[in-house]
Amino acid sequence: SQTIHQWPATLVQPVGSPLSLECTVEGTSNPNLYWYRQAAGRGLQLLFYSVGIGQISSEVPQNLSASRPQDRQFILSSKKLLLSDSGFYLCAWSGLVRHEQYFGPGTRLTVT
Amino acid sequence: AQRVTQPEKLLSVFKGAPVELKCNYSYSGSPELFWYVQYSRQRLQLLLRHISRESIKGFTADLNKGETSFHLKKPFAQEEDSAMYYCALVTDSWGKLQFGAGTQVVVTP
Repeated sequence: SQTIHQWPATLVQPVGSPLSLECTVEGTSNPNLYWYRQAAGRGLQLLFYSVGIGQISSEVPQNLSASRPQDRQFILSSKKLLLSDSGFYLCAWSGLVRHEQYFGPGTRLTVT
Repeated sequence: AQRVTQPEKLLSVFKGAPVELKCNYSYSGSPELFWYVQYSRQRLQLLLRHISRESIKGFTADLNKGETSFHLKKPFAQEEDSAMYYCALVTDSWGKLQFGAGTQVVVTP
């Protein structure tokens, strides 16, 4: 069966430090991959999505970037964190035909 | 523009009472909609997909294209239904989802 992992689960970083959040999927090939930020009362905001290795689409211009170095690996990065980058980050995958998405456990990022 | 509206931020119901979570959408094409649920300390998970017309955990949701709605209903709420519920709309052929702001459901005994 398919599983999706995210790490770390929680992270506290100072302003101006770099960021790397990792997401990996097991049990499927060539998934669509997504990064979301979840904020209370505001739902899920799609940040990036990828339909293949090296193919990244950005939904919201911001301080973050994403990369997909392998088929089932999706990385969210920043060179210099801002206070406004604090939040709960979710990774998700979906198949090529069916559109339902399956979510990882999330990473709670606090920028101090 | 595509949009998903969940007008209720919080819905408090008594155990055994009916519960209905509202979801309205704006989409120019043929909509594909989902309901997702997030229980406390658990990951976000798929609850219902409109194309399946299924009932999961006693919940049903009917797509009403005339009213552009996809409301989630359960005739008798249970305490374990307490959770955050999100309505989501597929917005392109790649499967990108537009989520509503979510409705927190609290079922009290």
